[in-house]
Amino acid sequence: GESVGLHLPTLSVQEGDNSIINCAYSNSASDYFIWYKQESGKGPQFIIDIRSNMDKRQGQRVTVLLNKTVKHLSLQIAATQPGDSAVYFCAETTSYDKVIFGPGTSLSVIP
Amino acid sequence: GAVVSQHPSRVICKSGTSVKIECRSLDFQATTMFWYRQFPKQSLMLMATSNEGSKATYEQGVEKDKFLINHASLTLSTLTVTSAHPEDSSFYICSAREAGLTRHGYTFGSGTRLTVV
Repeated sequence: GESVGLHLPTLSVQEGDNSIINCAYSNSASDYFIWYKQESGKGPQFIIDIRSNMDKRQGQRVTVLLNKTVKHLSLQIAATQPGDSAVYFCAETTSYDKVIFGPGTSLSVIP
Repeated sequence: GAVVSQHPSRVICKSGTSVKIECRSLDFQATTMFWYRQFPKQSLMLMATSNEGSKATYEQGVEKDKFLINHASLTLSTLTVTSAHPEDSSFYICSAREAGLTRHGYTFGSGTRLTVV
């Protein structure tokens, strides 16, 4: 099956600081991107999405940036809280078909 | 919001037996469901795409005779792991996409932890 990456990179941030999680996607034809949060033993939870005709989208405390030139996505979390500790995945899809996940980043928030 | 229920959440089975995992969309109709497998500290790997009323489409390297998928209704897809072996132990997660989607959302189940002993 399709998969990207085998090991989770980790990011540790101090509570209250901003977090930036980066992701490189593989398919230049991808036109819709999603960030998911996954807590231990649970399924992925939708955070924010962005279409390829946009380069930035903001939600509550989160911002997604898309750079199609270099096929790069980032998720910014403002004022990171302990409850933000989880694994974060970027995901891509073409024409809203199957969703392919990136390798993921483990975010650890230091109180 | 849209809810996908996955059952069971945990299952332990003996090597050589088969296990069925159910994925239900509770408040919407899903013409398409997706099945993923996730090993510890790894990403979700797509196994197959399940379309209501038709055969599933399997990703390269996934044995369709071992991982049987049935999508008999617009709210239910099942994954059966046949003749399970310890290497099949994993976290299996389904996702459903709403029929006639005008907003582009994929809702995930809470996953099934399969342990084969």
